[in-house]
Formats: sequence, C-alpha cells, structure tokens
Amino acid sequence: QKEVEQNSGPLSVPEGAIASLNCTYSDRGSQSFFWYRQYSGKSPELIMSIYSNGDKEDGRFTAQLNKASQYVSLLIRDSQPSDSATYLCAVRGTSYGKLTFGQGTILTVHP
Amino acid sequence: GAVVSQHPSRVICKSGTSVKIECRSLDFQATTMFWYRQFPKQSLMLMATSNEGSKATYEQGVEKDKFLINHASLTLSTLTVTSAHPEDSSFYICSARDPLQAQRPSEQYFGPGTRLTVT
Repeated sequence: QKEVEQNSGPLSVPEGAIASLNCTYSDRGSQSFFWYRQYSGKSPELIMSIYSNGDKEDGRFTAQLNKASQYVSLLIRDSQPSDSATYLCAVRGTSYGKLTFGQGTILTVHP
Repeated sequence: GAVVSQHPSRVICKSGTSVKIECRSLDFQATTMFWYRQFPKQSLMLMATSNEGSKATYEQGVEKDKFLINHASLTLSTLTVTSAHPEDSSFYICSARDPLQAQRPSEQYFGPGTRLTVT
C-alpha cells in the first residue's frame, strides 16, 4: 500500500465547475497535510496547508481533513483554465519530518 | 518572503562528468534543506535531508557517494552528482524550511528546480 495515494486522474472539469481532489494516507501519526500545484516543467507551489480536522478555506480553495478516515481533500471552486496543473498531496509525519508525496492528479479545466 | 533559488536552472553534461547544483534561501536562514528528484510523469521522491553543519541523511536506495550534499552555511546547500550517467537525467528540486516563521514553521518552500540532462 502506498503511503500517500491520490485519486486516479486525469480529472477534467468545465470552467466554472468545482474540482474535487482526494488523498488518503497510511500513517495515522501524520500531523501536517499540504496541497501543492505543479505546472509542467516547474517546481511545486504550496497552495494549502491544513493541520486539524475540518475545513480550511482560502479564496477558491478549500482543504478538508478527516484524520479518523485518514483522508484529505482539496476543492477548487469556480475552476479556471489557469488551474490546469498537477496537484500533489503531501503528508508529514512529525512537525519537522520529511514530506511524503502522492503520485499527483492531473487536472484539466476546459473552457 | 521565503524565496528559494537554484542554480543552474538547466544543465547538460557528458556521461562520466560531475555536476554541482546550488540551492539558496534568499531571505531566511534554512537550517534544513531537502533534495528531491522527479522523473517525467512521476511524483517527487525525497533523496536526502541536508542539515547545516552536519552530514546529510539519505533516503533508502540513494547512493550517498554518488550524490554528494554539502550544507556549509545557513543559506546554501549543494548537490553534486558525481560520474553522471544518462539514467541520472531528471528534474532536481530543493526545498527549505524557515524555522523562524512563526505561523508556518514547518512548511517547505521549493526552489525552481534544475533540469539535468546527461548525454
């Protein structure tokens, strides 16, 4: 079983729709959870971090964490073509431990 | 704030030569830096954790004698790929953590990456 697993892609949504990205993790001791966006040929860019159960909203992005289910998700509202990228879920086990990345989900927002 | 730079952004070298990649934290002091490798259409794989003033910690399967890491100052870590071969061609990305950033002390900030091609 992979340590961090993301829903299989690619995911295609129309402009203006909600894109839903999911991630599960195997280490129950994980404490920090991150979503990164990576454009082709570029390095990852942090878009959301979440540390406690519940929802965290930042603009069009909402991260949701459920530690009991070992599940973290990212919702992108009013999706734009510029949101088309690979989204990486990353999990950290301890406060200063290493990040473990999921395999990424390719999102395409079509006009 | 929290800007990380890498140099060079792209390098082509011949098989058997060595290549050095620099990672700098521009506006903060990074006691810890991380080196990742990403092959096409794959996710980031951590190679090693670099701590200022001490030896790097390598992940399982990463040859420490081939991938030399030096973290001599709080703003600079270097990765040297020694005796490079075509299979070392990849996208190498560093990241750094700003321990003094009170609100987000554990978040990592990524450099722009270095595309290495070994011919």
